[in-house]
Amino acid sequence: EVKLQQSGDELVRPGASVKMSCKASGYTFTDYAMHWVKQSPGQGLEWIGTIIPLIDTTSYNQKFKGKATLTADKSSNTAYMELSRLTSEDSAVYYCARESLGVFAYWGQGTLVTVSS
Amino acid sequence: DIVMTQSPSSLAVSAGETVTINCKSSQSLFGSVRQKNYLAWYQQKPGQSPKLLIYLASTRESGVPDRFIGSGSGTDFTLTISSVQAEDLANYYCQQYYDTPYTFGAGTKLELK
Repeated sequence: EVKLQQSGDELVRPGASVKMSCKASGYTFTDYAMHWVKQSPGQGLEWIGTIIPLIDTTSYNQKFKGKATLTADKSSNTAYMELSRLTSEDSAVYYCARESLGVFAYWGQGTLVTVSS
Repeated sequence: DIVMTQSPSSLAVSAGETVTINCKSSQSLFGSVRQKNYLAWYQQKPGQSPKLLIYLASTRESGVPDRFIGSGSGTDFTLTISSVQAEDLANYYCQQYYDTPYTFGAGTKLELK
């Protein structure tokens, strides 16, 4: 069974950074790309970017370049996303999602990030 | 970026009704090489992650009931739910994966009348 287990909710100060994780199980981690999606009340669902763990190649939505950094650790089957210089606009639920045939076939449970002083 | 426009934004239905959700893309999602439309539909229930229902515009994901039907081509797509059940009350999103950045519609909230 494919499972994506995301790290816990975060409360962070404006201007700080946060790094969240997505631990994959039930499949060969390097066989599939991992995507990250933002869900906020005002903006709906937004694709942040993707990482291909096999070759450590990333592709970002231009909107999130400089904001999000995607990495993957093949030894632990874990994908990471770091968000920097956080503002209230970054408060949202962030999902990791494994690709299959180009679509987001499997989703993590989401990590809620709240940016507040 | 490809803009995805969904309608209606909300829909109140009674159990057993058939509903239609529309999704229009700002450019064609038809890929000439594979002759496929790169359009997916997701269902999201309150407090849950989105769930893939349909891909390639009309192919049901494994385990999805056959009352969920995707159709359309090019720029105009439809998700039809026949004989709506209480468990179908959720938000529905279309998404294009023809080109990056992948983009979603704003969603359609299916509510009980």
